[in-house]
Amino acid sequence: QKEVEQNSGPLSVPEGAIASLNCTYSDRGSQSFFWYRQYSGKSPELIMSIYSNGDKEDGRFTAQLNKASQYVSLLIRDSQPSDSATYLCAAQITPGNQFYFGTGTSLTVIP
Amino acid sequence: GAVVSQHPSWVICKSGTSVKIECRSLDFQATTMFWYRQFPKQSLMLMATSNEGSKATYEQGVEKDKFLINHASLTLSTLTVTSAHPEDSSFYICSASITDTFGSGTRLTVV
Repeated sequence: QKEVEQNSGPLSVPEGAIASLNCTYSDRGSQSFFWYRQYSGKSPELIMSIYSNGDKEDGRFTAQLNKASQYVSLLIRDSQPSDSATYLCAAQITPGNQFYFGTGTSLTVIP
Repeated sequence: GAVVSQHPSWVICKSGTSVKIECRSLDFQATTMFWYRQFPKQSLMLMATSNEGSKATYEQGVEKDKFLINHASLTLSTLTVTSAHPEDSSFYICSASITDTFGSGTRLTVV
């Protein structure tokens, strides 16, 4: 079983819609969670981090964490074609240790 | 914000040769740097943690004699892929933080 799992997609949404990306993790000791955007051939860019249960909003992005269900999600509101990329979820068990990435979900926003 | 420069951005080499990848922190001193590898459609996998002035710490399954890491100064870490083989073809990414501050990545193709 992989430490962090994501649906590889592809996920397609029309421009202006909400894109919902999901991630599950296996280790209940995971404490920190991260969402990255990765364009083809480029390095990942950190979008958001979340550490506590509930929602965390930053502009058009909302991260949601449910530790009981071992589930993390990212919502992108008012999706734009420039949001088309692969979105990586990552979990960290303790600060500085054991950092795992998911395989990513490919998102396409259709104009 | 912190900037990490990685060079080269892509390289093609013949099987059996060695390739060196450089990772520089441009505006800060990095006592620790991280090296990742990403195969197509797969997760980023941490290969090793580079420590300034001391030996690198390799993740399980990563051959330290094949992937030589040198971190001789606070601004430069290098990864040398020795005796490269086609299966080493991948996207190599350095980072000055385990969670962000990634270099731009190096696409290595071994022919």
